[in-house]
Amino acid sequence: AQTVTQSQPEMSVQEAETVTLSCTYDTSENNYYLFWYKQPPSRQMILVIRQEAYKQQNATENRFSVNFQKAAKSFSLKISDSQLGDTAMYFCAFMNPSNTGKLIFGQGTTLQVKP
Amino acid sequence: NAGVTQTPKFQVLKTGQSMTLQCAQDMNHNSMYWYRQDPGMGLRLIYYSASEGTTDKGEVPNGYNVSRLNKREFSLRLESAAPSQTSVYFCASSPDRRTIFVETQYFGPGTRLLVL
Repeated sequence: AQTVTQSQPEMSVQEAETVTLSCTYDTSENNYYLFWYKQPPSRQMILVIRQEAYKQQNATENRFSVNFQKAAKSFSLKISDSQLGDTAMYFCAFMNPSNTGKLIFGQGTTLQVKP
Repeated sequence: NAGVTQTPKFQVLKTGQSMTLQCAQDMNHNSMYWYRQDPGMGLRLIYYSASEGTTDKGEVPNGYNVSRLNKREFSLRLESAAPSQTSVYFCASSPDRRTIFVETQYFGPGTRLLVL
């Protein structure tokens, strides 16, 4: 069975600085997808970025980028130029597309951006 | 285009009462999902529907039933609520998974349920 682990329950960063959130996963599959979701205090789940396992190039979305290490089964999220609006809980998630698209989530990391 | 909507936003039940959580999406997505979120844990899948007319159990289905009423709507029913079902419930949808680059799930705003 696939598992997703986020080992940092809480993190903080100063506004305008860079922070990296860690995520590791376990799977025997070769083809899969990885996601980072953001959950602000409003509780809405917002997709931040996603990565297809067959792509070697790391995904990037504006200030958000990932470091995908397939052999190490690591998928970290880097937030550059942190903004107060980045304060939220961040979830790493795994999907095996052959398993009807079900997402498996990590426990979450609460990020606080300080002014 | 409202995306994924859920009703109600908040509900208080007594142990043993029943209720149905409603979810609807207007993105013409085939797949729909119900998750629960508990403190200190990520979202866990309760049930999902890969397409209209089909439903399957997820990780934590006990105590719940679902109905895929049509392509737009996917409801979650608690027949006899228990305090252990106090949680935040999220509905999500995604396009046909057979299409390339479509594995993203889009979430509703959540329903907060308190069972006393």
